Amino acid sequence: GAVVSQHPSWVICKSGTSVKIECRSLDFQATTMFWYRQFPKQSLMLMATSNEGSKATYEQGVEKDKFLINHASLTLSTLTVTSAHPEDSSFYICSAREAGEGNQPQHFGDGTRLSIL
Amino acid sequence: GQSLEQPSEVTAVEGAIVQINCTYQTSGFNGLFWYQQHAGEAPTFLSYNVLDGLEEKGRFSSFLSRSKGYSYLLLKELQMKDSASYLCAVLDSNYQLIWGAGTKLIIKP
Repeated sequence: GAVVSQHPSWVICKSGTSVKIECRSLDFQATTMFWYRQFPKQSLMLMATSNEGSKATYEQGVEKDKFLINHASLTLSTLTVTSAHPEDSSFYICSAREAGEGNQPQHFGDGTRLSIL
Repeated sequence: GQSLEQPSEVTAVEGAIVQINCTYQTSGFNGLFWYQQHAGEAPTFLSYNVLDGLEEKGRFSSFLSRSKGYSYLLLKELQMKDSASYLCAVLDSNYQLIWGAGTKLIIKP
């Protein structure tokens, strides 16, 4: 149980393109989903927390207009990197937490490797 | 401020036992998680401790001492596939997850 699906796995695109990443909880309802970014050999960096039906909460330093998050249902959250540039190239990982107590573990998608040329 | 400390790297021998430590200082405590992350992959959940003591799950065990702000992950009968980074994370009083930087476990034959 507790499977999170993230698509696409890889994206290579030109500078200026907008890229949409989907995160789905397949066998549970996730009131809260999280978006992380991870650079090589570095730890996870939380970008934003997404709650179903409300606006996402962004961490300090993360541009909300650059990284658009939508959490329209209990099983789907999307991250859109708008007008991506080479410095946005990174490993983006979503996670989902089951509805209920706040101490439920986060379950991670497989991540999206984004390369901007 | 809130902080989690883990060693950056630990080396062990195949078949042996290894312990990875995590110390924390956070505003409140609602539990501590351990995750495994293989290179180039997303983290996978290993364990959750909220009460003091040892939780055993097959070859992996996790220990917690809340009074000392300390946890460790114990891996027995090490296999080459256990080579990965191990992340500890603490759930603070606001149920926000505070992540450690991770410990890279290197296993030698």
